[in-house]
Amino acid sequence: EAGVTQFPSHSVIEKGQTVTLRCDPISGHDNLYWYRRVMGKEIKFLLHFVKESKQDESGMPNNRFLAERTGGTYSTLKVQPAELEDSGVYFCASSQTDGGGAFFGQGTRLTVV
Amino acid sequence: AQSVTQLGSHVSVSEGALVLLRCNYSSSVPPYLFWYVQYPNQGLQLLLKYTTGATLVKGINGFEAEFKKSETSFHLTKPSAHMSDAAEYFCAVSASHSGYALNFGKGTSLLVTP
Repeated sequence: EAGVTQFPSHSVIEKGQTVTLRCDPISGHDNLYWYRRVMGKEIKFLLHFVKESKQDESGMPNNRFLAERTGGTYSTLKVQPAELEDSGVYFCASSQTDGGGAFFGQGTRLTVV
Repeated sequence: AQSVTQLGSHVSVSEGALVLLRCNYSSSVPPYLFWYVQYPNQGLQLLLKYTTGATLVKGINGFEAEFKKSETSFHLTKPSAHMSDAAEYFCAVSASHSGYALNFGKGTSLLVTP
């Protein structure tokens, strides 16, 4: 069974540009989470989908970030326009509904220059 | 609100020695507790978890952790370190009322020396 897959693995963009990160969760997992780790800091929660609905987006930094989950399958996280402080590793995770732990993708390393 | 504190951002042990990584949590509701490991250039892998039931939980690669409510702790141990254990370890807490979103500690980098 495939795990959580994230694309791209690395992205380097200039300040002001737009970047879209994609996450394909484990098939059948209704819960999908996005997290971010800025260098030197802890991994921080961004938002939570249950199927196609945003359950909690309290961790989204600002309105430059837009997340979607089309049809309750894959998810995208768009940053527009990107700023220097958006650099970091973006992780996606998925889980079933039992709270028994989430499975993480390998992350997307975003560098804004 | 929930939070996790990991004591020691870097821990160094000799191969064959005991591994002890400390984690204390704060939670207003019964917590779900986790340890994740990240090897270089890889994603986060679940090592072990405590949700309910037995307070001593065993995970992969010989690791175990004990939930101690009175001490609000969930320390990770392994009797004998192996070179392949070198990685970054994250303690995390979640709860049902927050959709099981994870609150992570800052992580502890484990170095294993020959």
